Amino acid sequence: DSGVTQTPKHLITATGQRVTLRCSPRSGDLSVYWYQQSLDQGLQFLIQYYNGEERAKGNILERFSAQQFPDLHSELNLSSLELGDSALYFCASNGLAGDNEQFFGPGTRLTVL
Amino acid sequence: ILNVEQSPQSLHVQEGDSTNFTCSFPSSNFYALHWYRWETAKSPEALFVMTLNGDEKKKGRISATLNTKEGYSYLYIKGSQPEDSATYLCASNNYGQNFVFGPGTRLSVLP
Repeated sequence: DSGVTQTPKHLITATGQRVTLRCSPRSGDLSVYWYQQSLDQGLQFLIQYYNGEERAKGNILERFSAQQFPDLHSELNLSSLELGDSALYFCASNGLAGDNEQFFGPGTRLTVL
Repeated sequence: ILNVEQSPQSLHVQEGDSTNFTCSFPSSNFYALHWYRWETAKSPEALFVMTLNGDEKKKGRISATLNTKEGYSYLYIKGSQPEDSATYLCASNNYGQNFVFGPGTRLSVLP
């Protein structure tokens, strides 16, 4: 158990809908990362937050947004969902510095029908 | 955007064999190189974080080396066991860039 929690575990929704994925980092970690793993693709970095502020942005679509709250939990909002958004979404946390290992949550599997 | 490559894509070995994989990454503005182990139906688990050229780290039967000047890292598994079967990911973190993961090497250890 990495100490990172993600909810829900599974999510099934329809095209055009909007969903919110939630992540709680390990106790004491200020940095949260979001990743997407689509079928036959590796982990794609989406976005990083540190202590409530956006720190880095990767291949995140404009239909997606994220935020980190004062209690350090983070939410990833996915809107106008398309079939291609079906993927496993991971959240990871660490203490910020790039040489700190990231601790991954169990992931949320999103299925868009 | 960084390009992180891993080879081989997949590997089948017999129990007891030793094996190694390669991760190559851009050497410019290098900051850190991470290795992760990812079992099916689980989340990636950190193995090593390496920052210094020539660094070598070990955890049980698994070890890794780092060459930041030429941009590669090797992961070695000595005496592979069936429980070592997993996908091994490397990720590069360069100054001014985000974490970029390689595609992984899928290892199957046959009993």
